[in-house]
Amino acid sequence: KAGVTQTPRYLIKTRGQQVTLSCSPISGHRSVSWYQQTPGQGLQFLFEYFSETQRNKGNFPGRFSGRQFSNSRSEMNVSTLELGDSALYLCASSTSSGTGGNTIYFGEGSWLTVV
Amino acid sequence: AQRVTQPEKLLSVFKGAPVELKCNYSYSGSPELFWYVQYSRQRLQLLLRHISRESIKGFTADLNKGETSFHLKKPFAQEEDSAMYYCALSRSGTASKLTFGTGTRLQVTL
Repeated sequence: KAGVTQTPRYLIKTRGQQVTLSCSPISGHRSVSWYQQTPGQGLQFLFEYFSETQRNKGNFPGRFSGRQFSNSRSEMNVSTLELGDSALYLCASSTSSGTGGNTIYFGEGSWLTVV
Repeated sequence: AQRVTQPEKLLSVFKGAPVELKCNYSYSGSPELFWYVQYSRQRLQLLLRHISRESIKGFTADLNKGETSFHLKKPFAQEEDSAMYYCALSRSGTASKLTFGTGTRLQVTL
């Protein structure tokens, strides 16, 4: 079974630009969540989508947005990039967003550098 | 607000020595606790969760609600245990929304 796939793996953007990152979950997984990882703040939850609906949201500004398609693939977008947005963005998928034994599988991440 | 604290950034032990990676949490309800591990050049992966009460790769962790701790233990460290370990918490019913600690790098030396 293929794992969580994220594209692109590496990208460099300029301040003020926008970026879109893509995530393909494991087949059959309907929940996709996104995390930002930085040396200073560690791993922080961005948002989670389940069946095309945002189910949970972290404490990030509105510049960070996401969506999920009917095939469970997800994208996240960051508009008006700032230097502080430089980070590793991780996508994770699971069978559902409920409790009780769901294993969350992470992708390798997309490395974003803002210059 | 929920919080996970891993007090040690780096833990260095000799091969064969016991390992204990500390994790404390603050949460007002009933949390679900997890340990994730990231080996060199690999993706973050689940090591174990408290509800399973299982031992994975010789590691165990017991949820102590009185002390709000979920320390990870292994009686005899192996070289292949060297990795970054993250403790994480989720609110019951939101298993996909994890609050992570800052991580502890375990270094097992000969």
